[in-house]
Amino acid sequence: KAGVTQTPRYLIKTRGQQVTLSCSPISGHRSVSWYQQTPGQGLQFLFEYFSETQRNKGNFPGRFSGRQFSNSRSEMNVSTLELGDSALYLCASSPRDSITNEQFFGPGTRLTVL
Amino acid sequence: AQSVTQPDIHITVSEGASLELRCNYSYGATPYLFWYVQSPGQGLQLLLKYFSGDTLVQGIKGFEAEFKRSQSSFNLRKPSVHWSDAAEYFCAVSGYSTLTFGKGTMLLVSP
Repeated sequence: KAGVTQTPRYLIKTRGQQVTLSCSPISGHRSVSWYQQTPGQGLQFLFEYFSETQRNKGNFPGRFSGRQFSNSRSEMNVSTLELGDSALYLCASSPRDSITNEQFFGPGTRLTVL
Repeated sequence: AQSVTQPDIHITVSEGASLELRCNYSYGATPYLFWYVQSPGQGLQLLLKYFSGDTLVQGIKGFEAEFKRSQSSFNLRKPSVHWSDAAEYFCAVSGYSTLTFGKGTMLLVSP
């Protein structure tokens, strides 16, 4: 089985722009979660989607949004970019509605905001 | 709310020496616990997991971890470290459909 894929791998944007990141989960996985990783804050949970519905949301401003499509692929969008949004954004997928929440991570998208 | 503490930010170990990375968690119910490893510029790879049963769990790459409920700990161990083990290690606890991670421990391996 192919792993979790994320596109693009690297992105450079300027302040005020918006950006869309894409994640394709492992085949058969219906849950997709997004995390932001920075040196200062570590790994922080953004949101989780299951069957096209946002099931959980972390403590991030409304500029961060996401969605999930019927094929389980997910996108996250950040509007009005700020310098502090520079981070590695990780996507993870889980099989179905796994209570054990074992997650499989993609390689991440490195976002740099100038 | 659940939380994870990894008290060591950096650890340096000589190649061939044993390793123990500490992890303490806070969670109100039976925890599901994980250790992940991240190499520079990469995503996270699952090393091992604890759901229930035997408190000593074996993982990939020769790693093991022991769950101690009385100490709220889930420490990661390896008997003999290889230079390729140099990476950042994250402990995580699962609950309510989210994973909460510790801040990570950076492992440096000296020759």
